[in-house]
Amino acid sequence: DTGVSQDPRHKITKRGQNVTFRCDPISEHNRLYWYRQTLGQGPEFLTYFQNEAQLEKSRLLSDRFSAERPKGSFSTLEIQRTEQGDSAMYLCASSFGLAGGTDTQYFGPGTRLTVL
Amino acid sequence: AQSVTQPDIHITVSEGASLELRCNYSYGATPYLFWYVQSPGQGLQLLLKYFSGDTLVQGIKGFEAEFKRSQSSFNLRKPSVHWSDAAEYFCAVGAFSGGYNKLIFGAGTRLAVHP
Repeated sequence: DTGVSQDPRHKITKRGQNVTFRCDPISEHNRLYWYRQTLGQGPEFLTYFQNEAQLEKSRLLSDRFSAERPKGSFSTLEIQRTEQGDSAMYLCASSFGLAGGTDTQYFGPGTRLTVL
Repeated sequence: AQSVTQPDIHITVSEGASLELRCNYSYGATPYLFWYVQSPGQGLQLLLKYFSGDTLVQGIKGFEAEFKRSQSSFNLRKPSVHWSDAAEYFCAVGAFSGGYNKLIFGAGTRLAVHP
C-alpha cells in the first residue's frame, strides 16, 4: 500500500490563474476528504466524498472552488481565478468506513499553493 | 460549537526528558479523538486515536494519550523524547455526523528538542 499521494507538491501561480490539484487515495478507500491549512494553523475541512458523491462542502469552499471524484477513485480540486488569500497547503485524506460508521483518515503529503 | 484547544503553541524539551502536550475539546457527544504529527512541509501522520474503551491508548513511536471525559482532555505523553520527535503536533476531534467524520483540529503545538 503506497499511501495517499498528491500532485503537484508545490504550485506557484499568479493571481487570477486557475489551478488544479490531484489526490490519489489509498486503494479501496471509499471516503475522501480535502482540508486546507494556512500558516500556523491546523487543517480546516473543505469537502467530503463518499465514493463519487460529494456529500458536504464547507462554507470555506467559495464558488471559485470545485472538487470532483469521478468513479470514486482519484479526486481533483480546482480553484478558479486564484487570489492571494488562497495561498495555503491543501491536504487530501482518505479512509474506509462502513455505512454509519466512523473512520480513521490517512493524509497525503499536501500541495502547497503560492499565489503571487 | 465543536472546537479543539491546544494551549501551548511552542514547547521545548531536552532530549531524554518526558513530554506532555495538552489538548482540550468541546463536543456534545462521545468524541472520537486523534493525535497527528506533521514534519516541516509534510502531511500529517496518525500517532494514535481514541474511539471507545480503555481511556489510555498507545500509539506509534512510543506515544500514549489519556482520554479524561471529566476534564474534556486528551493529552499526549511520551516518557523519553528523541531528537527526531521535533515536529508539530495536532489534536483533532471527529465531528461524526451523517455517517462520516470531519476532523476539527487544534492550532497545533510545535515541539523543539534540545540535545
